[in-house]
Amino acid sequence: QKEVEQNSGPLSVPEGAIASLNCTYSDRGSQSFFWYRQYSGKSPELIMFIYSNGDKEDGRFTAQLNKASQYVSLLIRDSQPSDSATYLCATSGGYNKLIFGAGTRLAVHP
Amino acid sequence: SQTIHQWPATLVQPVGSPLSLECTVEGTSNPNLYWYRQAAGRGLQLLFYSVGIGQISSEVPQNLSASRPQDRQFILSSKKLLLSDSGFYLCAWSLSSYEQYFGPGTRLTVT
Repeated sequence: QKEVEQNSGPLSVPEGAIASLNCTYSDRGSQSFFWYRQYSGKSPELIMFIYSNGDKEDGRFTAQLNKASQYVSLLIRDSQPSDSATYLCATSGGYNKLIFGAGTRLAVHP
Repeated sequence: SQTIHQWPATLVQPVGSPLSLECTVEGTSNPNLYWYRQAAGRGLQLLFYSVGIGQISSEVPQNLSASRPQDRQFILSSKKLLLSDSGFYLCAWSLSSYEQYFGPGTRLTVT
């Protein structure tokens, strides 16, 4: 059974700090990794994807991938209250499917 | 650009009643289509996916079914709803890569 594990949180960070969200996955064959943001009552929104080991930066967001450790993370710099949401990690599960983690709830307080 | 629609946005149905949820995608051809359910405070459960017209793969045994009558239309149905069918139903699309894009969702309450 392919699994994606995330700490459910809540992860509480002060405004302006760096939020670090982590995810581990069980399938060594996974090649693609995704981060979705889901505001309460809304649908998930794709914010980052990463395919290669290392870092990928997009504005205030940095995705980090370490395939040897089966670990992917999302860093949010200069966190804002508007970043408060649940962040879902997902990996490729074969046959055009994604395997989702249960999500980490992030709370950014002023 | 691509757009995905779902309706209705919210639905309250009694136990034992039928269900039909619709999803349509605009601005792309031959997308992969997916139905997910998210129970309150839980993760996403993949219910069905389709890589083409008339082709449906089921992920979990249940009293739900799906159909894809047109290239960009995906329908989720049930003949008799159960209380456990309550949840947030999400349709998603993707092309050849794994990136999936979600519709706005339908919140279903079975009473």
